[in-house]
Amino acid sequence: GESVGLHLPTLSVQEGDNSIINCAYSNSASDYFIWYKQESGKGPQFIIDIRSNMDKRQGQRVTVLLNKTVKHLSLQIAATQPGDSAVYFCAEAVYNQGGKLIFGQGTELSVKP
Amino acid sequence: NAGVTQTPKFQVLKTGQSMTLQCAQDMNHEYMSWYRQDPGMGLRLIHYSVGAGITDQGEVPNGYNVSRSTTEDFPLRLLSAAPSQTSVYFCASRDGGRALFFGSGTQLSVL
Repeated sequence: GESVGLHLPTLSVQEGDNSIINCAYSNSASDYFIWYKQESGKGPQFIIDIRSNMDKRQGQRVTVLLNKTVKHLSLQIAATQPGDSAVYFCAEAVYNQGGKLIFGQGTELSVKP
Repeated sequence: NAGVTQTPKFQVLKTGQSMTLQCAQDMNHEYMSWYRQDPGMGLRLIHYSVGAGITDQGEVPNGYNVSRSTTEDFPLRLLSAAPSQTSVYFCASRDGGRALFFGSGTQLSVL
């Protein structure tokens, strides 16, 4: 069935290093992918998105890469800071199903000072 | 703009009780949705609405009802709470774009 999952449940990095969070998806019909950041006790916060006709998109300190051949999505965070510590979710938009988002399980990023 | 506002933030119910989780947005978004978040399960879609007067089921709709009488409000009703409904509930909305904007959540415990 359809699924969006993450390869690693936890990721620990040193402050200043780059972080890479990975996500696999199975529905080749999806046309849109989003990364969310969720801090403890808060709702998910939009980070960056990418459409299926793109393979890379950059934001402020973040880059999302999409590899449709292997159905893989990644979020790269440059110069990771303690404030980046959170759970990161990828989500897949299936618009022939009314625009519903399917979320992965999440990866917890821990930044060590 | 306040964004997406959820009330209450915390709630404890006994099995069989009913209650309504409130959600309001002031961004004039047509699309609104409810998710539940359980440990290790990510976010799962309960119900959603593409506009006032229109609602539809998501992945896990059983035990929940919704209505959308106005663009601003999208309440979620639990008619007879069960321990399996213990979770954190998030309301979210979006405009013509793709990204959802989430509220801060309601932590519900059913004893």
